[in-house]
Amino acid sequence: AQSVTQPDIHITVSEGASLELRCNYSYGATPYLFWYVQSPGQGLQLLLKYFSGDTLVQGIKGFEAEFKRSQSSFNLRKPSVHWSDAAEYFCAVGHSGAGSYQLTFGKGTKLSVIP
Amino acid sequence: KAGVTQTPRYLIKTRGQQVTLSCSPISGHRSVSWYQQTPGQGLQFLFEYFSETQRNKGNFPGRFSGRQFSNSRSEMNVSTLELGDSALYLCASSGQGKWYEQYFGPGTRLTVT
Repeated sequence: AQSVTQPDIHITVSEGASLELRCNYSYGATPYLFWYVQSPGQGLQLLLKYFSGDTLVQGIKGFEAEFKRSQSSFNLRKPSVHWSDAAEYFCAVGHSGAGSYQLTFGKGTKLSVIP
Repeated sequence: KAGVTQTPRYLIKTRGQQVTLSCSPISGHRSVSWYQQTPGQGLQFLFEYFSETQRNKGNFPGRFSGRQFSNSRSEMNVSTLELGDSALYLCASSGQGKWYEQYFGPGTRLTVT
């Protein structure tokens, strides 16, 4: 069965510092991988996705992620964090079969930003 | 284009009651998925509907059910509410051929007392 692990429950960084959020997945085939962000009281917003091809994918808000098959990882990065990036981030693996689709999410990493 | 809307945004119910939550997808989207979000279990898939048919269901008891109407609007129902059903219920829609681009609504916060 597919699963997603986000090892860091909470991360605090200073504004302007770089950021890396870790994500490891378990999936039998080539995974569809996603990063979502959730601000307090809001739904989830898709930051970026990976299906195939170039292992470094660019997303919105200056985020990027790198797919590493050998490490079963899909870490999210941002070179310089802004205070508005404080939110909870979820990594997910998507899977389809028999015409149905669903996302399996990690437990999330809460990001705090120090001004 | 309007986003995914969910009503109501907040709801307080008593144990044993039932509740119905509504989701209106983005115009033109025919797939609607429901997720439950709790602090302990995180985000868990409930079910997915496409063209009024349930295509997939997560590992939830039969008290959780849903349906989709011809206009793609969807409802989910929880009967005989338990305290553990307190959660944020999120709905997501996606367009045909782009199931991976799921657009989420703001959610309905259900509190069971």
